[in-house]
Amino acid sequence: ETGVTQTPRHLVMGMTNKKSLKCEQHLGHNAMYWYKQSAKKPLELMFVYNFKEQTENNSVPSRFSPECPNSSHLFLHLHTLQPEDSALYLCASSPAGTGDEKLFFGSGTQLSVL
Amino acid sequence: AQTVTQSQPEMSVQEAETVTLSCTYDTSESNYYLFWYKQPPSRQMILVIRQEAYKQQNATENRFSVNFQKAAKSFSLKISDSQLGDTAMYFCAFLNTNAGKSTFGDGTTLTVKP
Repeated sequence: ETGVTQTPRHLVMGMTNKKSLKCEQHLGHNAMYWYKQSAKKPLELMFVYNFKEQTENNSVPSRFSPECPNSSHLFLHLHTLQPEDSALYLCASSPAGTGDEKLFFGSGTQLSVL
Repeated sequence: AQTVTQSQPEMSVQEAETVTLSCTYDTSESNYYLFWYKQPPSRQMILVIRQEAYKQQNATENRFSVNFQKAAKSFSLKISDSQLGDTAMYFCAFLNTNAGKSTFGDGTTLTVKP
């Protein structure tokens, strides 16, 4: 266990649904990340939060909406997704501010958009 | 922008043998970290080994060691005495310390055969 928990593990949704992915870390870290992992493609950084402030939005479509209510929790709200959004969504955290940004990952949410 | 290249999509090794995974990167930064992460079938990515760019000595962690060639921008991972539990996808990652975000390679799928 890395101390980063993601729920749900699997999610199937239609293109008109609204759902949310949840990430929680118990490591006292101040930075949290959303990554997208598609088959045959490298990990794509989506969003970065440092001390609850969004510091990176890597040209992600607006149908993905992140929320970071505190430094321990991170959400990814999904609506009107497309089939090409099917992927493994990984949450990660890191200490932040130390220059040693080793990432601690959750187990991911495998998302299928029908 | 940084790029990370892993030229071996798939590799296999016999149990107890040694295998080397390749990684090259491109950057104009002088201050950075390099990482190898392992993603087993359980999907949870974990850190294998880390190298600070300013250190000439190659990092080692038990059976895992790196060959860091800064001038050549090469960062290979050597796994000695391979075990069945080493079967996983391995990602090389570059961290720009100033930007505080990691860039990942495409990954190498390693299979350890009994």
